[in-house]
Amino acid sequence: AQSVTQPDIHITVSEGASLELRCNYSYGATPYLFWYVQSPGQGLQLLLKYFSGDTLVQGIKGFEAEFKRSQSSFNLRKPSVHWSDAAEYFCAVGPYNFNKFYFGSGTKLNVKP
Amino acid sequence: GAGVSQSPSNKVTEKGKDVELRCDPISGHTALYWYRQSLGQGLEFLIYFQGNSAPDKSGLPSDRFSAERTGGSVSTLTIQRTQQEDSAVYLCASTRPNTGELFFGEGSRLTVL
Repeated sequence: AQSVTQPDIHITVSEGASLELRCNYSYGATPYLFWYVQSPGQGLQLLLKYFSGDTLVQGIKGFEAEFKRSQSSFNLRKPSVHWSDAAEYFCAVGPYNFNKFYFGSGTKLNVKP
Repeated sequence: GAGVSQSPSNKVTEKGKDVELRCDPISGHTALYWYRQSLGQGLEFLIYFQGNSAPDKSGLPSDRFSAERTGGSVSTLTIQRTQQEDSAVYLCASTRPNTGELFFGEGSRLTVL
């Protein structure tokens, strides 16, 4: 069965510290992987996506993610967190024809001053 | 407008009443999705429309839920005889072909009393 697991419900980091949000997926075919961010009062916005090729992908707002097929993981990272990064982050997986996306339950990020 | 528009933004209804939620996708986006986001849960896929093809209704939780998309543009999600467990945020997203990037509306928050 297709599923996405985000093991961390809440994470708190200090401003300027590094960040890694975990995502593991279970998918029966070649996965297309995504990270979305949901800021308070706003719709979800795409941060980055992985389809093929280089397993380290860069996204907006200084985020990057690394696809590790052997670990079925697609973790999101940022070297230095800003207060404006406080939001909820969702990992998603979908098929090549994008007819259905499976989302994780989200990780809520708090940033301490 | 430039983004996905959903209405109403908030809806409070009594158990047993019918509700309609509307989604106006981005012009030119051929694919449209409905998702449900319950408190503390990830996004649950409901239904997918692509062009003139038959919709993928595999995520609709019961026959009380239905959706249509008129003229390949505006979509309406209808919930009949609402139950308290239907309380959630209903999200609509649209996308251009073959990009995989979902553009989400801000959602319709449904509360069933």
